[in-house]
Amino acid sequence: AQRVTQPEKLLSVFKGAPVELKCNYSYSGSPELFWYVQYSRQRLQLLLRHISRESIKGFTADLNKGETSFHLKKPFAQEEDSAMYYCALSSGGGNKLTFGTGTQLKVEL
Amino acid sequence: SAVISQKPSRDICQRGTSLTIQCQVDSQVTMMFWYRQQPGQSLTLIATANQGSEATYESGFVIDKFPISRPNLTFSTLTVSNMSPEDSSIYLCSVDRAGGGNTQYFGPGTRLTVL
Repeated sequence: AQRVTQPEKLLSVFKGAPVELKCNYSYSGSPELFWYVQYSRQRLQLLLRHISRESIKGFTADLNKGETSFHLKKPFAQEEDSAMYYCALSSGGGNKLTFGTGTQLKVEL
Repeated sequence: SAVISQKPSRDICQRGTSLTIQCQVDSQVTMMFWYRQQPGQSLTLIATANQGSEATYESGFVIDKFPISRPNLTFSTLTVSNMSPEDSSIYLCSVDRAGGGNTQYFGPGTRLTVL
């Protein structure tokens, strides 16, 4: 069975500091990984997915199959980055998503 | 992306009653998903609903408790039956757009409180 682990429930950083939100997964096949974000009073929305290898709002995430990780990084945190971040894994046919427990990012001034 | 709406946005219900949640999408989609997010918890997939076939339920979820309809390619309903306080959660629908590369788009959620 697949599993997604986000070890930090809350991560607090100062504005301008680097951010790294950790995500580890377990899955026997070839996974597809995503980061979703939920800003205050907004719906859950896709931030980025590993197959796109893109940078969104300054965030990047690299899939490391050796370490089974998909950590989310940003070199300089902004106040508007404060939100709940979920790592998710899509496995097999049917496109089912397995979510981690989420990390609340708080960017302080 | 897809525009997804849910009704109701929130409700407070009595134990033993049932509530039907509607999910409407602005365009035709093949797959629709229903998730539950219990207080302080992550999202858990309840079932996958394809048009023209029975919904596929995840382990721990049964059709008698969470019947799902998918009458066409833009609409689905989830019913929470015989509710108890443990059913208090946010219920979300999501869709998988064709060509979206397994990306799912989420509705705003329905916040259910069972007294």
